Order: sequence, then C-alpha cells, then structure tokens
Amino acid sequence: GQQLNQSPQSMFIQEGEDVSMNCTSSSIFNTWLWYKQDPGEGPVLLIALYKAGELTSNGRLTAQFGITRKDSFLNISASIPSDVGIYFCAGRNAGGTSYGKLTFGQGTILTVHP
Amino acid sequence: DTGVSQDPRHKITKRGQNVTFRCDPISEHNRLYWYRQTLGQGPEFLTYFQNEAQLEKSRLLSDRFSAERPKGSFSTLEIQRTEQGDSAMYLCASSVSGASYEQYFGPGTRLTVT
Repeated sequence: GQQLNQSPQSMFIQEGEDVSMNCTSSSIFNTWLWYKQDPGEGPVLLIALYKAGELTSNGRLTAQFGITRKDSFLNISASIPSDVGIYFCAGRNAGGTSYGKLTFGQGTILTVHP
Repeated sequence: DTGVSQDPRHKITKRGQNVTFRCDPISEHNRLYWYRQTLGQGPEFLTYFQNEAQLEKSRLLSDRFSAERPKGSFSTLEIQRTEQGDSAMYLCASSVSGASYEQYFGPGTRLTVT
C-alpha cells in the first residue's frame, strides 16, 4: 500500500538548536499535514498544507508543501524541551478515491537535551 | 470546546473475548475516523463515517471488526474474538466535511490482548 518515508528516524539535539525533518512519497499528494504525538496520547495537528510550494508557520514551526507534490518538510526553530515527541507527516494521495483516509509516515523521534 | 474523547483509555482482555470502544467526536464535526497504531508505526486508517453513514472501510478491518455511528454522534468499534495481533492503540479522529483532512485525534484506547 501507499507509504510515506520520514527522515530522519530519530534526532538528538541540544536545546536552542533548529530542527529539520522531511517526508517523501512515491506518488503525488494533494494534502500534507504534520502531527506531534506524546507517549500514550493521540497525535496533535500542527500544520496543514494544501498547495504545492505553500509555506505555513505555526509559532516556531514552519512546514512546506514540496513543489513536486511528493514531499513535505517541517522545521522547528530554537527547540525547547517540550518539543520532545514523535512527529508524523500525513497526507492524502491525489490519485486516491478515498475522501477520508490519511496515510501516515513512520515518524521522527525528537529528543531535546537541556 | 472539548476535544475528541475515547473510552476506555486502556483495556486488557484475554484472547477470544470481545471488546468495544467508544469515541465521542468534537460536537460540530460530522466526520469520524478510526485508526490503529502499533508500536513504532504511524496510525493506519481503518474506517470513517460521515454522519451515520460508514463511507469507507480498510482491508485491515477484518470480519471480526465492526464500527457503528448510529445517530451520527458517538461511534463504537467492536472487536470480536480478539487475537494477540489486535494489541494496539486504537485512535479516533473527527473533522468537518469542508476540511476533512484536518483530522483531530482523541487520546486513544490502548488494547492489550493476553
């Protein structure tokens, strides 16, 4: 089935550093979303992207919808300890017939050292 | 504004038993989704409803799984004759029709089959 590949799988950074992660697909997506999940909790929506090339910010977070429509990027500036968690990309395949299904990546685990 | 709620948060059951989970979506959301998440993976789509109509089911949803949303409000997910492979986090999400890809998740129900 459709898969999204997230990179890197995990990151260990110092507080204050900037973070970049990305998500790629073998097929075209027409919607990209980024979620953060804390242990034992459900994913929390961070940013939604709807157009190729779109750049959207939410506080210290900035995400971009790749112009090829096959990738998306998430940047976190000036990381703080509460940024710790698992970040998931998700999207809707442009060629799909589903109007509800989101496909998720496998996640990027972020650890921030104080 | 209350978010998506799920009950129970944790369920331990013996193989072969039936279990039922409940999800209450955000009150003005007419779309409701069920996902399953295993350790180290992103959520996988199971099914979704628009109001009371079940519009799509994943092939992951075997005959032992059934979901209902009888009055277009809360939903239940039942698993019959549970197997150890059913152990996972079951996540519910909801959205409005016009922005159906902005899905808001509940805290999940962690199922352990012994």
